[in-house]
Amino acid sequence: NAGVTQTPKFQVLKTGQSMTLQCAQDMNHNSMYWYRQDPGMGLRLIYYSASEGTTDKGEVPNGYNVSRLNKREFSLRLESAAPSQTSVYFCASSETSPPLNEQFFGPGTRLTVL
Amino acid sequence: QKEVEQDPGPLSVPEGAIVSLNCTYSNSAFQYFMWYRQYSRKGPELLMYTYSSGNKEDGRFTAQVDKSSKYISLFIRDSQPSDSATYLCAMRGNQFYFGTGTSLTVIP
Repeated sequence: NAGVTQTPKFQVLKTGQSMTLQCAQDMNHNSMYWYRQDPGMGLRLIYYSASEGTTDKGEVPNGYNVSRLNKREFSLRLESAAPSQTSVYFCASSETSPPLNEQFFGPGTRLTVL
Repeated sequence: QKEVEQDPGPLSVPEGAIVSLNCTYSNSAFQYFMWYRQYSRKGPELLMYTYSSGNKEDGRFTAQVDKSSKYISLFIRDSQPSDSATYLCAMRGNQFYFGTGTSLTVIP
């Protein structure tokens, strides 16, 4: 049981390049999330998927796209990377039903855009 | 105004000290209150959660929620060097809202 896995762990891009961050979970969770974490800003939600086939914008969606490929996988795409997207990206998953939707996080992807 | 405010610290205490970590929030509709612990270069992991107001204890950790003041706290008793991490508060509304995290170092 690996929990939430993310690839790659590290990435360096040049401005304008594109890339896709991959996330997979093996806990049969319905909901999945993408966050970015920056010093002094905490975790900010980029996009989330409440269930397979649905995606919604979070707090900071500009410059990103997502795909909920199936129940297990949720990818984040940067079409034209900018230095402002330098950050640590975390994927998380949770059940949807109450009372608590505890989120389980992956190990993160450290992205630098030059 | 941010949904959740948390003092970033850093906080440095000697081993065995009692640590108090705090967050304030603005949305009175929040019902679930959580504390996550994040070790360096790792993802956050859930430490404790509380529903509505009151206290919850788990070993050396106690979580308190005061909904009237929109204030939550995490207390760590007999702090250990292994408690050195960043602690993030989080709240559940229509989505999750996280504090910025407080960096804690426990010195042996």
